[in-house]
Amino acid sequence: AQKVTQAQTEISVVEKEDVTLDCVYETRDTTYYLFWYKQPPSGELVFLIRRNSFDEQNEISGRYSWNFQKSTSSFNFTITASQVVDSAVYFCALSEEHRAAGNKLTFGGGTRVLVKP
Amino acid sequence: DTAVSQTPKYLVTQMGNDKSIKCEQNLGHDTMYWYKQDSKKFLKIMFSYNNKELIINETVPNRFSPKSPDKAHLNLHINSLELGDSAVYFCASRHGQIEYDSPLHFGNGTRLTVT
Repeated sequence: AQKVTQAQTEISVVEKEDVTLDCVYETRDTTYYLFWYKQPPSGELVFLIRRNSFDEQNEISGRYSWNFQKSTSSFNFTITASQVVDSAVYFCALSEEHRAAGNKLTFGGGTRVLVKP
Repeated sequence: DTAVSQTPKYLVTQMGNDKSIKCEQNLGHDTMYWYKQDSKKFLKIMFSYNNKELIINETVPNRFSPKSPDKAHLNLHINSLELGDSAVYFCASRHGQIEYDSPLHFGNGTRLTVT
């Protein structure tokens, strides 16, 4: 069965510090997809990035960067030079290319990031 | 234009009542979902429909009954509400049934409070 673990429940940083969010996943499939979502205090769920299991290239998008390591089943997310607006709950999610999975996204428990001014 | 819209945004009701949450998407997606987010922020899938057909039913009590009149709508009806049903319910949609790489697009959630 697919499983996503975000061991950090809450991270508190001061503005401009970097923050890295850990995500570890379990899957029996060789083809799968990983996602990160952001949930700001207003409550909506915002898609940030997706990565497939064959693409281990790390990615940078502005102040966000993602480190996918298949060998350790991790898909970590870093916010560089954090800002107060980055305060949110961040979710890692897994989608398997397996019909029994029913095309669902399985979410980790989320990591709350609090950026203090 | 709102891509996935759900109504109402807030729902406060008493135990034992029956209530419905509506969801509509204008993205042309084939697959729609209901997720439940509990007080600890844990997101768990409840149902998935593809083109009006039930695909996933994740051991949800049968007091919860989804209904999909067409592929753009997926409503959630809850009978005999219990205190433990208090949560935020998110509707979502996704392109296709087999496009496992496509992200879910979520509505803004319905906060249900059962007193």
